[in-house]
Amino acid sequence: NAGVTQTPKFRVLKTGQSMTLLCAQDMNHEYMYWYRQDPGMGLRLIHYSVGEGTTAKGEVPDGYNVSRLKKQNFLLGLESAAPSQTSVYFCASSTALGGGETQYFGPGTRLLVL
Amino acid sequence: DAKTTQPPSMDCAEGRAANLPCNHSTISGNEYVYWYRQIHSQGPQYIIHGLKNNETNEMASLIITEDRKSSTLILPHATLRDTAVYYCIVRVGILTGGGNKLTFGTGTQLKVEL
Repeated sequence: NAGVTQTPKFRVLKTGQSMTLLCAQDMNHEYMYWYRQDPGMGLRLIHYSVGEGTTAKGEVPDGYNVSRLKKQNFLLGLESAAPSQTSVYFCASSTALGGGETQYFGPGTRLLVL
Repeated sequence: DAKTTQPPSMDCAEGRAANLPCNHSTISGNEYVYWYRQIHSQGPQYIIHGLKNNETNEMASLIITEDRKSSTLILPHATLRDTAVYYCIVRVGILTGGGNKLTFGTGTQLKVEL
């Protein structure tokens, strides 16, 4: 049981390039989330998904797109990277248990946009 | 939405109990209190959560005051590996379609020393 895994662990992009971050979970969780964390700050929710084929915007969705074609995978895309998107990206998943829900996080992807 | 207040930093001697306080005076009756921690450069790790009663698991104990306006996370025998940022989170709201929006603030940096 690997839990939540993220690919890649680290990436350097030039402004305007595109890339996709992959999140995978093997816990059969319905909900999945993408967060970003900037230095000295807490996590901010980018997008989330409540089930296969569904996605929704979080607090800071601009510049990102997501897809959930399979229940175990949640992809985060940057179509045209900007330096402001330099950050650490965390994926999380959870079960649909309402108030007692626990989110499990991946190890993070460190992205540097030059 | 309930907000939380935590001290920015605390120190603890190894082997002693670490007591991390959190104020959440505007908490609503159906809002849970969650605790997560983040060891440097890693993804957040769930510790414990509770609604009204005190809770204990293999990692920690959570003490919630009777009026629910504050809580304390207790690590009974802190070790060097417990050095991390600890986040007290009150479930901010239910996202459209389900799931929880967890707002991570800046937390408490706990440093466990010999």
